[in-house]
Amino acid sequence: QKEVEQDPGPLSVPEGAIVSLNCTYSNSAFQYFMWYRQYSRKGPELLMYTYSSGNKEDGRFTAQVDKSSKYISLFIRDSQPSDSATYLCAMTFSASKIIFGSGTRLSIRP
Amino acid sequence: ETGVTQTPRHLVMGMTNKKSLKCEQHLGHNAMYWYKQSAKKPLELMFVYSLEERVENNSVPSRFSPECPNSSHLFLHLHTLQPEDSALYLCASSQTSPGANVLTFGAGSRLTVL
Repeated sequence: QKEVEQDPGPLSVPEGAIVSLNCTYSNSAFQYFMWYRQYSRKGPELLMYTYSSGNKEDGRFTAQVDKSSKYISLFIRDSQPSDSATYLCAMTFSASKIIFGSGTRLSIRP
Repeated sequence: ETGVTQTPRHLVMGMTNKKSLKCEQHLGHNAMYWYKQSAKKPLELMFVYSLEERVENNSVPSRFSPECPNSSHLFLHLHTLQPEDSALYLCASSQTSPGANVLTFGAGSRLTVL
């Protein structure tokens, strides 16, 4: 079993839709949860960072962590074509070893 | 220059060649990383340098040889690679702190091994 599972997509939705991206994980020791966004021909950039369970909101983006279910989500409201990218979930319990999901490719249709 | 800069952006090499990838960070961070990104696979951590000392080496074949001459520069020396080594090689940096390190990535070096 992989430590982090992420549906690779691709996921295609119309502009303005609410997008839900998800990851599941197996290691209950993970405490820090991140979402990175990677545009084509670019490196990943940090989008959201949360510690432990709960929700965190930043503009149109909401990150949700459910440690009891070992499940994390990223919601994008009012999706825009500029949100088209690959989204990587990542998590860790130590300062150096970050475990990444394989990424979900998202396309927003104008 | 700002952030993390990687050169070259694209590299094509034969299996008998020797080449190097270069990474430079302008953020004052004290840790640098090499990751390998292959299609539909999670990012694979290859090497970690903290304060210029290698602190992690994830069973990477010896045909990949890292070098960190100072806290701002990181190299990945490549020799006698295999076609399956074709991938995007990402450099990242971070400032070590309690909790999770937030990584800043470069744009990557796309490597093709013929």
